[in-house]
Amino acid sequence: AQKITQTQPGMFVQEKEAVTLDCTYDTSDQSYGLFWYKQPSSGEMIFLIYQGSYDEQNATEGRYSLNFQKARKSANLVISASQLGDSAMYFCAMVAGSARQLTFGSGTQLTVLP
Amino acid sequence: EAQVTQNPRYLITVTGKKLTVTCSQNMNHEYMSWYRQDPGLGLRQIYYSMNVEVTDKGDVPEGYKVSRKEKRNFPLILESPSPNQTSLYFCASSWDIGNEQFFGPGTRLTVL
Repeated sequence: AQKITQTQPGMFVQEKEAVTLDCTYDTSDQSYGLFWYKQPSSGEMIFLIYQGSYDEQNATEGRYSLNFQKARKSANLVISASQLGDSAMYFCAMVAGSARQLTFGSGTQLTVLP
Repeated sequence: EAQVTQNPRYLITVTGKKLTVTCSQNMNHEYMSWYRQDPGLGLRQIYYSMNVEVTDKGDVPEGYKVSRKEKRNFPLILESPSPNQTSLYFCASSWDIGNEQFFGPGTRLTVL
């Protein structure tokens, strides 16, 4: 079975600073993919970034980067130069091996302070 | 515009009254899925479908049914809703499970 753990229910960051949201995963499969989604207060789910288990480079998308540490089974999201609009709930998710399911963590509520 | 639509967006109903939440996508995606979101639990998968007439249970399928008669539609059926099914429901679609999923706007369901 696959499992995603997000240990930070809430985080605060000052505007323009960088912030790291933690995500650890558990799977016995060698092939898997990791996703991060953002959910603003309006409720929609927005895809941010994807990392495949065989990708050698850490994924980056604009101000978002994924700090992928395979040996530690962690896939932390780094947001650089935080903006007020980054205040939202952030979910880490994984699909592993031949499973056709996406498993989500419990989420981290990020608040960016002016 | 590429999108996933869900209807209704909000629904208040009573225990035992059958209901259907519709989901439709216009991206010709093969994979579709239903999730429920509850505070502190993140999103949990209810059912998913790899293609027309192919559906399978997710992590929390009890009390729900789905069908996939056409590629674009994937309705969620609650035959006899109960208060513990009060939740925020999302439909999503993608080319495959390993690709980015596109989410609908969500349906907030309250069962009294």
